[in-house]
Amino acid sequence: EAGVAQSPRYKIIEKRQSVAFWCNPISGHATLYWYQQILGQGPKLLIQFQNNGVVDDSQLPKDRFSAERLKGVDSTLKIQPAKLEDSAVYLCASSSESPETQYFGPGTRLLVL
Amino acid sequence: AQSVTQLDSQVPVFEEAPVELRCNYSSSVSVYLFWYVQYPNQGLQLLLKYLSGSTLVKGINGFEAEFNKSQTSFHLRKPSVHISDTAEYFCAVSDLGGSQGNLIFGKGTKLSVKP
Repeated sequence: EAGVAQSPRYKIIEKRQSVAFWCNPISGHATLYWYQQILGQGPKLLIQFQNNGVVDDSQLPKDRFSAERLKGVDSTLKIQPAKLEDSAVYLCASSSESPETQYFGPGTRLLVL
Repeated sequence: AQSVTQLDSQVPVFEEAPVELRCNYSSSVSVYLFWYVQYPNQGLQLLLKYLSGSTLVKGINGFEAEFNKSQTSFHLRKPSVHISDTAEYFCAVSDLGGSQGNLIFGKGTKLSVKP
């Protein structure tokens, strides 16, 4: 079974630029999560999708972050414009109808200069 | 609101020695509990989880954890560690009530196994 795929693996941008990350969940997983992991901290949930609908985006900074999951499969997370404090690893995870076990992708490491 | 406290940010240990990584949680409702491991430049991998039933949970790679409701703890243990266990370990909690399975993570414990 293929795991959660993410791209790119690394990205370096300057502040005020925009950036987008892509995630392909495990086939058949209805629930998709985006997490932000700042250096030295645990992952923090940004947004959760159930199929193509948003379940929870309470911690998403909506003035600069956006996410979509068209057709209920792949998802993209965008930051526009980026700030220095957005430097982090962005993790995508997916789960089946049973939400207890989330499977994580390798993450995208973002550095904002 | 839920929270997770991992009491040690770093734990150095010699190979073949036992190890315990401590985790305490705070929640006003019943919870699910998880331990994930993160190897360098990789995503998180589930080690084990407690949903209900026996309070002693066995996971992959020889790890186990014990749920203690009275002490609100879920400490991770391994009787004999290997060099390959060097990684960062995250404890996480998810409430049963309806947060759709959202995980709240601790800040992580870096386990460093020395030869």
